[in-house]
Amino acid sequence: NAGVTQTPKFQVLKTGQSMTLQCAQDMNHEYMSWYRQDPGMGLRLIHYSVGAGITDQGEVPNGYNVSRSTTEDFPLRLLSAAPSQTSVYFCASGRGTETQYFGPGTRLLVL
Amino acid sequence: RKEVEQDPGPFNVPEGATVAFNCTYSNSASQSFFWYRQDCRKEPKLLMSVYSSGNEDGRFTAQLNRASQYISLLIRDSKLSDSATYLCVVNGKAGRRALTFGSGTRLQVQP
Repeated sequence: NAGVTQTPKFQVLKTGQSMTLQCAQDMNHEYMSWYRQDPGMGLRLIHYSVGAGITDQGEVPNGYNVSRSTTEDFPLRLLSAAPSQTSVYFCASGRGTETQYFGPGTRLLVL
Repeated sequence: RKEVEQDPGPFNVPEGATVAFNCTYSNSASQSFFWYRQDCRKEPKLLMSVYSSGNEDGRFTAQLNRASQYISLLIRDSKLSDSATYLCVVNGKAGRRALTFGSGTRLQVQP
């Protein structure tokens, strides 16, 4: 099993550009989530999904969209990148909110 | 007030030492508690769940005090490989199936 995979590993964007961060898991987990991690702030929940077709907002959802058309995939879309979105983004999955398995992260720099 | 608060450290300890971290949480309705470990520039990984009766896994012992709303992690006989950031995690606000992460406590074990 590959576990949770994320692409790309690194990305540089200009302000105003849009992009999609990809996340996939092969463990048949129903629960998936996106976090961002900034220095001194810990991980903050952006969006989460409890199953295909079901998504909900987390603590910091503004500027991000998600969809969950399959159990395996949970992409995160940045609509119009801003320097404040410079961060490390982690995707996670689990059977519920118990043990979470994290992907390796995407490091995003917005200029 | 943050939902989950931790002393950021760093805790600098010699090999073989015993070290303890505490974490406080604000949501008295929280039911699930965890310690995750995060190595530098890597994804978080579950270290152990925390149960009301306390639990032990080798050199690691976790305790929960619901009355005072704090969680502790004790590491005995510290190894160089224990150097990492330890994240305190609780399930989040009522109605949201999500985890809330503390900012982490950094441990540096020195030879």
